[in-house]
Amino acid sequence: EVQLVESGGGLVQPGGSLRLSCAASGFTFNRYDIHWVRQPAGKGLEWVSTIGTASDTYYPGSVKGRFTISRENAKNSAYLQMNSLRAEDTAVYYCARGLPFLGVVDYWGQGTLATVSS
Amino acid sequence: QLVLAQSPSASASLGASVKLTCTLSRGHGSHAIAWHQQQPEKGPRFLMRLNSDGSHIKGDGIPDRFSGSSSGAEHYLTISSLQSEDEADYYCQTWDTGIGVFGGGTKLAVL
Repeated sequence: EVQLVESGGGLVQPGGSLRLSCAASGFTFNRYDIHWVRQPAGKGLEWVSTIGTASDTYYPGSVKGRFTISRENAKNSAYLQMNSLRAEDTAVYYCARGLPFLGVVDYWGQGTLATVSS
Repeated sequence: QLVLAQSPSASASLGASVKLTCTLSRGHGSHAIAWHQQQPEKGPRFLMRLNSDGSHIKGDGIPDRFSGSSSGAEHYLTISSLQSEDEADYYCQTWDTGIGVFGGGTKLAVL
């Protein structure tokens, strides 16, 4: 059974940092892309970051330079380091598995809440 | 820039069928897309992948009531024999040269 379990969310002040983790199981981790997707309360899904099987990384302009995605295949884990956090980064963050070359997501984690507030 | 357009809302009666649409912006009609369901207070769930040739591959445990089809830049999710648990937000999603894209979502009400 494919499972993705996020952790590391919490409350942080503006300008602070958080590191989210995604622990994967039930599939050959190094053969899939990993995406981070977020959802502010009451709003839609927003793509945040992707790391490919070759550890190539991608970000939208809204987080580029502040967020860093990484993966550790030996631990079947992916991470999202979030720096210089802003109030608008407050959201539930989901880890998701992506199909290589197609870019579509086919499994989701349960999400972890990151709250940026003073 | 690739954009996925979805109607904000849809409604249909219990037991009826509904067809949701996801339209790719001009010049991007050959992309594969995914449909995801998000029930109230829950995380998203993958429903199916729609390939550019119109074929679809469903996720684990997705009932036969859910099907997908395509026509050019338009991709469809059809839900038949609507049940109360189908009341949810439905998102389409794709990828375009290093950029992930989500549609704005369609909120489906089952009457």
